[in-house]
Amino acid sequence: GAVVSQHPSRVICKSGTSVKIECRSLDFQATTMFWYRQFPKQSLMLMATSNEGSKATYEQGVEKDKFLINHASLTLSTLTVTSAHPEDSSFYICSAIFDRVETQYFGPGTRLLVL
Amino acid sequence: AQSVSQHNHHVILSEAASLELGCNYSYGGTVNLFWYVQYPGQHLQLLLKYFSGDPLVKGIKGFEAEFIKSKFSFNLRKPSVQWSDTAEYFCAVRVTGGGNKLTFGTGTQLKVEL
Repeated sequence: GAVVSQHPSRVICKSGTSVKIECRSLDFQATTMFWYRQFPKQSLMLMATSNEGSKATYEQGVEKDKFLINHASLTLSTLTVTSAHPEDSSFYICSAIFDRVETQYFGPGTRLLVL
Repeated sequence: AQSVSQHNHHVILSEAASLELGCNYSYGGTVNLFWYVQYPGQHLQLLLKYFSGDPLVKGIKGFEAEFIKSKFSFNLRKPSVQWSDTAEYFCAVRVTGGGNKLTFGTGTQLKVEL
């Protein structure tokens, strides 16, 4: 199946700093990428949908100024958590699609811990 | 808005036992349905999906699921589980014509004991 990578896999940062997470499709060009957040023992919650070259579409309740998404190419999307706070600590997962059948392929996730 | 319910949060089975994980969704229109699996330390992988046609779909590793429209259900089954099936299983729904957004259930943690 298609491969999606994320970097870093884990990050610890101080409160008030910004953290950038990368999502790459390794063997295909992704028409759309998605960013999810997963709280412990809870489901994946979609944060935003990202299309290459256009602004991301954020889900209701997600602060677009806090979670900046850039989709600069067909193989790379980045999520920047700005001015991170402890409540932003979570598991962030990206996914990508590359065909009209629209099966999402998921990255391994990034564990963010804000101290 | 659509929602997905997975009623079993934790399931423990012995090897060779049969498995059925429940998934119900709430949405009155046409949907696509998915089951994803997440093995320990790994990323989500697609087990199977239903778009249209035969409501009984077969996926990888001997899994199958049946779409029952009247019950808004898409239960996952496997006749005989293996220790290697220990993982977390997520049901997901996508509303057709509503973009590519997936709505996930809360997941079911399956533990298979030897």
